[in-house]
Amino acid sequence: AQTVTQSQPEMSVQEAETVTLSCTYDTSESDYYLFWYKQPPSRQMILVIRQEAYKQQNATENRFSVNFQKAAKSFSLKISDSQLGDAAMYFCAYRGYNNDMRFGAGTRLTVKP
Amino acid sequence: DGGITQSPKYLFRKEGQNVTLSCEQNLNHDAMYWYRQDPGQGLRLIYYSQIVNDFQKGDIAEGYSVSREKKESFPLTVTSAQKNPTAFYLCASSIVAGRRQVYEQYFGPGTRLTVT
Repeated sequence: AQTVTQSQPEMSVQEAETVTLSCTYDTSESDYYLFWYKQPPSRQMILVIRQEAYKQQNATENRFSVNFQKAAKSFSLKISDSQLGDAAMYFCAYRGYNNDMRFGAGTRLTVKP
Repeated sequence: DGGITQSPKYLFRKEGQNVTLSCEQNLNHDAMYWYRQDPGQGLRLIYYSQIVNDFQKGDIAEGYSVSREKKESFPLTVTSAQKNPTAFYLCASSIVAGRRQVYEQYFGPGTRLTVT
C-alpha cells in the first residue's frame, strides 16, 4: 500500500507569518490525487486543498498553496498570513486509482499571537 | 442538509463485547470509508466500500467487520478479537472517482469508543 510521511510532528508560526508543512509519499501509480486536510480541536475533518498528480500547476486556495514535486514525491503546504484560526492538526492524504485513501501521521500547527 | 452522521458521539463497552458503530450519509455517494485515529498515528484505513454489497479491507481490518446493504449506510462492528479497540473512529464518503476525476472525502463527526 502507498505510504504518506509527515516528518514534522509539531510546527509553530507567528500570526501573519508564513509556514510550510512537509509531506512525502511513496507510490508506483502514475495517476493519483493529493490532499491536505485540517482537523481543529472539534475533530471535524476539513478539506484545505487538493492536487491532481497529472497537473503540473500547483494548487492554490486563498492563503493556502502547495508545492507539488512529482519526481521527488513531495507535497508541501504553505500557509501565508497565518491566522489564529489556522491552529489545528494538518493531515496530508494520498488517494490512489482504486479510490482508497491513505493519511500521514499529521502535523500539529500552533499559531502564536 | 446533506451530510454524514455518526452515532453515538461517545460509546462505552466492556471488554469481550462486540459493538457496532453507525454511519449514515445522504450525499448520494457511492464510496464509504472507515478510519481509526489514535494519538500520533493519524488516520488509518479499516475498510472501504465503493458499491453496495461490496467492500475491501484497508490496512488494519483485523478485528473489524462491515456491511454495505444500503448505499447510505456503512456500519462498522468492532469485535472482541480487536486487541486495542479504544480509539476515535471516523466515517467518510465520496463520489467514486473516474480516471482523472478528483473528489475529496467528506467526514462525519466521529465516534469515541472506550473499552474497559
